[in-house]
Amino acid sequence: QVQLVQSGAEVKKPGSSVKVSCKASGGTFSSYTISWVRQAPGQGLEWMGRIIPILGIANYAQKFQGRVTITADKSTSTAYMELSSLRSEDTAVYYCARGGYDILTGWYYYYMDVWGKGTTVTVSS
Amino acid sequence: SSELTQDPAVSVALGQTVRITCQGDSLRSYYASWYQQKPGQAPVLVIYGKNNRPSGIPDRFSGSSSGNTASLTITGAQAEDEADYYCNSRDSSGNHRVVFGGGTKLTVL
Repeated sequence: QVQLVQSGAEVKKPGSSVKVSCKASGGTFSSYTISWVRQAPGQGLEWMGRIIPILGIANYAQKFQGRVTITADKSTSTAYMELSSLRSEDTAVYYCARGGYDILTGWYYYYMDVWGKGTTVTVSS
Repeated sequence: SSELTQDPAVSVALGQTVRITCQGDSLRSYYASWYQQKPGQAPVLVIYGKNNRPSGIPDRFSGSSSGNTASLTITGAQAEDEADYYCNSRDSSGNHRVVFGGGTKLTVL
């Protein structure tokens, strides 16, 4: 059973960047996507973007376009999310989650069946 | 603002049936998925596709859809079902983006 293991908590200054990792343990990425979803304190879930690791193709929510970069290293089954120009409103728990992708049809599956435990990112001066 | 709309809070008496809804234009063409999130924990997928439950999810959870509205029904709610519930699906922009509903806080009385 695949587990997604995320990197540890981060404390960052406003204006800096953060890079969070997500390693697939007990399996590989295969034909899946990895999405990044964040949750600010007391707020709901917010999708940031996703990557198809075997193709290296990423797409992003319009809100984060230009500020977020999602990459993947197939050799280590690890995905990364880098968020730049951090501000206090980026303080949140960041989750990675596995979704589906059919490489033959190019069809995305929008449900996310495996989630990491989350990485707390605190942005404070 | 979210393209998927959920009621902020719903309550149900122990053992009764509750329906949590999710509205959005994209739901006319795409299925919603449903997630349960308890405090301090990551979300857990409970329903996906037409009405599919991942392994380990009790059969009191079911999903349905009509028009622009998807529903999650819990038949015989248990105390442990008290949680936040989120729907998600594709957005309506045509760019394969994902969107989440704002979430529904379920209280079991």
